[in-house]
Order: sequence, then structure tokens, then C-alpha cells
Amino acid sequence: AQRVTQPEKLLSVFKGAPVELKCNYSYSGSPELFWYVQYSRQRLQLLLRHISRESIKGFTADLNKGETSFHLKKPFAQEEDSAMYYCALSDNSGYSTLTFGKGTMLLVSP
Amino acid sequence: DAGITQSPRHKVTETGTPVTLRCHQTENHRYMYWYRQDPGHGLRLIHYSYGVKDTDKGEVSDGYSVSRSKTEDFLLTLESATSSQTSVYFCATQGGNNQPQHFGDGTRLSIL
Repeated sequence: AQRVTQPEKLLSVFKGAPVELKCNYSYSGSPELFWYVQYSRQRLQLLLRHISRESIKGFTADLNKGETSFHLKKPFAQEEDSAMYYCALSDNSGYSTLTFGKGTMLLVSP
Repeated sequence: DAGITQSPRHKVTETGTPVTLRCHQTENHRYMYWYRQDPGHGLRLIHYSYGVKDTDKGEVSDGYSVSRSKTEDFLLTLESATSSQTSVYFCATQGGNNQPQHFGDGTRLSIL
């Protein structure tokens, strides 16, 4: 069975500090990985998907198949980055259901 | 986002009553999903649909049923609500394989 692990429930950093939100997965096939962000009491929004290899709001994430990881990084955190971040995996089956990690709350202090 | 409307946005009801949540989309997306969001659990899939009248169970389907009679509507029903079903429920849609899922604003449901 596929599984997504986000080891940190809470990550607290100061403005301007680098950020790395960890995500590890277990899946026997070739997965597709996503990062979603949820600002306070809002809907989940897609932040990144690994196949697009783009940078959104200064965030990047690289799929490391050897370490089965998809960590989210940003060199300089901003206060507006404070949110809940979810890593998710799609098994690329016909229905592409998502398996989510439990989420990491990022708090950026001034 | 993807024209997804969830109704109601908030509901408080009593144990044992039936509850139906509605997800309406205007993007003609084939796939639709219902998730529940709980602290410490992230999002968990309840049911999903891959077309009109085609549905299947997710990870936490017990106590829930769904129906999809039209492409644009996906209903989630709690036949007899229990306090353990107090949660925030999110609907999501997906246009096709290998497309990202888009989420609605959520329904906050409290079962007293």
C-alpha cells in the first residue's frame, strides 16, 4: 500500500530563514508527487507537482527516487508562507486517487 | 478554483440524523472525490466517482454513501450521523488522468 510521511507536525522559522518541509513516500511503482498548501481555513491549493519542475512562490521540490523523498524547499521564508502544507502521492492509475500525508504547519515569525 | 461549490458551508446536527452534503462543479470534470480532514490525520479519501453513476470506496467509506446522477453533482450522505463524523469535508474534481485535483472550500460539519 502506498504511504506518505511528513515527519514534522510543526515547523517554526524566522522570516528570511531557509525552509525545508520533508516528505517521504512508499510506493512500488512510479508515483506522481504533489505539494498542496492550505492557508488558514481556506481550500487546498496546488502548489507544485513534480512533473512540472517549476517554482511557485519561490518554492521548489525535487523528486529523489533513491531516497523516496519529495522535500519542499524555499531559500528565504516570508510571513505569508505561514500555512499547512500537504504532500500527496498519486499512483497514476486510471482514477489517480491521492494519498495525503498528515501535513506540516509552517509558522514564519517576523 | 475549477468552479467547485460545496453546500452547505457549515452544518450542526444531532447524532442519528441523516445528512447530505453537495458538491457542484461547472468544469465538466470527469472525476470527483470526497475527503474528510481531521487534525493529525490529514486528508482521507471517503468515496470517489469516475463518471455518472460510477463510484467507488476510499479509505474511510464506512458510514458514508455517495451518488452521482449528473456530471456536475456529487452528493455525500451520512445515513445516520455519529459524533465521529464531525469533520471538515472537502470535495475535489479532476479533469482527467494525470491532471491535478482541485478542491472546494469545504463543509464544516458538527455532529452533537
